[in-house]
Amino acid sequence: GQNIDQPTEMTATEGAIVQINCTYQTSGFNGLFWYQQHAGEAPTFLSYNVLDGLEEKGRFSSFLSRSKGYSYLLLKELQMKDSASYLCAVRDSNYQLIWGAGTKLIIKP
Amino acid sequence: IAGITQAPTSQILAAGRRMTLRCTQDMRHNAMYWYRQDLGLGLRLIHYSNTAGTTGKGEVPDGYSVSRANTDDFPLTLASAVPSQTSVYFCASSDSGHSGANVLTFGAGSRLTVL
Repeated sequence: GQNIDQPTEMTATEGAIVQINCTYQTSGFNGLFWYQQHAGEAPTFLSYNVLDGLEEKGRFSSFLSRSKGYSYLLLKELQMKDSASYLCAVRDSNYQLIWGAGTKLIIKP
Repeated sequence: IAGITQAPTSQILAAGRRMTLRCTQDMRHNAMYWYRQDLGLGLRLIHYSNTAGTTGKGEVPDGYSVSRANTDDFPLTLASAVPSQTSVYFCASSDSGHSGANVLTFGAGSRLTVL
């Protein structure tokens, strides 16, 4: 079966750095996505990786290793507004998105 | 403001009742999707439509039906609601195609409770 694993919950301090990991086992690979979802709101797109390596976008970076079935989302200079759930999703060989259950990130002052 | 509008925002209904969740987008996206989100689970695809006039089944289609009469609208119908259909439902759209990121834009969600 297809599976996306990410930690259920993480806690970090305002101003610090946090890394959210995602491992996947899917039927084929056509890209990996990270979405942010604040409580009670819709998911919004953060990043997309299709080749190995690091993609940087402001305070957020996303890394992919296809050979290891692994990605991480790195958030720097954490702000209280970064408190949200972070969803990892992989597009499989049929171009269907497989979603992880999400990582709830709690930021403490 | 361009985006996706879902209605209703929240609804409580009795088991056995029929319910239609509405979804309208104004971005002229070809593809539209219905997901359900349940605590502890990833988003699960119910039905999708790659273009107006076509629909397809996702991972959890049983008990749901959709139609895509035009580009903008993609309603989801529960013919006879059951308690296990209590969930938050998200409509989404994308430019479709198999190249590039094909990023999803989501509506604000419809919280449905079936008693």
